[in-house]
Amino acid sequence: AQTVTQSQPEMSVQEAETVTLSCTYDTSESDYYLFWYKQPPSRQMILVIRQEAYKQQNATENRFSVNFQKAAKSFSLKISDSQLGDAAMYFCAYRSHTGTASKLTFGTGTRLQVTL
Amino acid sequence: DGGITQSPKYLFRKEGQNVTLSCEQNLNHDAMYWYRQDPGQGLRLIYYSQIVNDFQKGDIAEGYSVSREKKESFPLTVTSAQKNPTAFYLCASSTQGLAGARGETQYFGPGTRLLVL
Repeated sequence: AQTVTQSQPEMSVQEAETVTLSCTYDTSESDYYLFWYKQPPSRQMILVIRQEAYKQQNATENRFSVNFQKAAKSFSLKISDSQLGDAAMYFCAYRSHTGTASKLTFGTGTRLQVTL
Repeated sequence: DGGITQSPKYLFRKEGQNVTLSCEQNLNHDAMYWYRQDPGQGLRLIYYSQIVNDFQKGDIAEGYSVSREKKESFPLTVTSAQKNPTAFYLCASSTQGLAGARGETQYFGPGTRLLVL
């Protein structure tokens, strides 16, 4: 079974600065997807960014980018030019591409605080 | 607007009572999912369905039941057998059904908070 670990329960960043959230995972599969979801106080899960394991290029979405290290099974999220609206829980998630099952396995989350 | 709706936003359950959480989507997605979120934990999969009239147990299915009679709807019933139902419940959907297409992403509804009286 796959596992996802987020070792930072809480992080803090000043507005306009850069912060990196860590995520590691354990799998024996070679083909899979990785995601970062954001959960603001409203508690709705919002997709931030997605990475396909077969792609070597790191995914980027505006101020959000990832550092995907497949051999190390590491998938960190970098938020540049942090804004107050970035304050939320961030969850790393893994999805297998094997067969037809497409469930997500989540980490325990990192709470990000953004200060002035 | 296309999206996923969940109702009610808050739900109270009495001892020994079954309650049903609603999830509807108008995204024309084949697959739908139910997750449970407890404080300090990530989401855990309860049930999922890849096609109408078919569904599969997830990691924590005991005490829950589902149905998938329509593509748009995937209601979750929390039965009296679920001894610790207090949690936040999230429904999600995705384009991937049995076809297993690449690029599938799960999109989430706003959630239902279930509390026990």
